Amino acid sequence: AQTVTQSQPEMSVQEAETVTLSCTYDTSESDYYLFWYKQPPSRQMILVIRQEAYKQQNATENRFSVNFQKAAKSFSLKISDSQLGDAAMYFCAYRSYNNNDMRFGAGTRLTVKP
Amino acid sequence: NAGVTQTPKFQVLKTGQSMTLQCAQDMNHNSMYWYRQDPGMGLRLIYYSASEGTTDKGEVPNGYNVSRLNKREFSLRLESAAPSQTSVYFCASSLDRIGNEKLFFGSGTQLSVL
Repeated sequence: AQTVTQSQPEMSVQEAETVTLSCTYDTSESDYYLFWYKQPPSRQMILVIRQEAYKQQNATENRFSVNFQKAAKSFSLKISDSQLGDAAMYFCAYRSYNNNDMRFGAGTRLTVKP
Repeated sequence: NAGVTQTPKFQVLKTGQSMTLQCAQDMNHNSMYWYRQDPGMGLRLIYYSASEGTTDKGEVPNGYNVSRLNKREFSLRLESAAPSQTSVYFCASSLDRIGNEKLFFGSGTQLSVL
């Protein structure tokens, strides 16, 4: 089964600075999808960004971008110009091409300091 | 916009009691899911329903049953609650079962089993 590892339980960043959250995964598949979800204190899970493995171009969504390294099985999230509202738990997730089971990492708690 | 609605938000049970967690979505989505979230473990899939009338086991189905009552509703039942089932439960839905479809999550149910 696929596993997702987030090696940073906690991270902190100064407001307006840039932070990178790490994620690695283990798979033997060639087609899959990767996601970053944000969970603020409200508990609501919110999709931040997603990446198709067949695309070489890294996904970007405004201040959020990823560094997808397929050979290294790495999928890091970069948050630029960090804002206080970015403080949350961030989960990396993996989904097979034709499988419903989305595997989540253990999460990284991001603190944003004013 | 209601999205995915879960009830109740909080519940305390005694060991051996039963209960049903309710979930409804108003987005005309085909697929629905139940996850549990435990500290340090991310989210794990309990059961999912790819379409109305079908249900399948996820990563951690033991001790749970589900019912896809109609396209809108997907319930999770604990027949005989155990302390190991203390967790936060999330219902989610997506338009379809595969691919990079975005999951929409409910706000979670905090369940404590004493």
